[in-house]
Amino acid sequence: DTTVKQNPRYKLARVGKPVNLICSQTMNHDTMYWYQKKPNQAPKLLLFYYDKILNREADTFEKFQSSRPNNSFCSLYIGSAGLEYSAMYLCASSRDWGKVFFGKGTRLTVV
Amino acid sequence: GDSVTQTEGQVTVSESKSLIINCTYSATSIAYPNLFWYVRYPGEGLQLLLKVITAGQKGSSRGFEATYNKETTSFHLQKASVQESDSAVYYCALSDLATQVVGQLTFGSGTRLQVYA
Repeated sequence: DTTVKQNPRYKLARVGKPVNLICSQTMNHDTMYWYQKKPNQAPKLLLFYYDKILNREADTFEKFQSSRPNNSFCSLYIGSAGLEYSAMYLCASSRDWGKVFFGKGTRLTVV
Repeated sequence: GDSVTQTEGQVTVSESKSLIINCTYSATSIAYPNLFWYVRYPGEGLQLLLKVITAGQKGSSRGFEATYNKETTSFHLQKASVQESDSAVYYCALSDLATQVVGQLTFGSGTRLQVYA
């Protein structure tokens, strides 16, 4: 199975509440990524796990957390959602210098 | 920082006509950027269309081609004859494979291609 699965596909959250998005792959990929995509903007890398090591982009360091309990799963966690977090969240994975596989995304709406 | 610019948010083309989608880049922190075109078909995830690692080279896939032009810092996507099935959103991207992992990409904002019969 060469797909990256993201659950749920759509999520509605309340301002101030936590949000947890899930991503999984069974390709034994060593690296998993999270991107944020807002309308009419470029997808923006938030963070990635290389094996068990988390790398977060400097400008989103405090806004997002992530965990990778095993090779197949990776989550994106927002502790207290604000309206500005409404976006499409894209998960991706890769191995070594190979192809990058993207999931279909989770559309988060914060109200 | 590094950036990718796609000036057209949407392009509409008649089937069998030629296409060019513009992409320019600025790589202030990367000596030798690597350039990519990704595509998102309706209902699908982003997928790699083509890549070019070295300046001056051309990449091609599915009838699309793009040439890495270091002088003009451009990587325009072209196709001689488009089909309705090419309707999708196209993203230009860059990375530095010498110092970054393969999925650490700087994307442009995307160009939606609509092909009509």
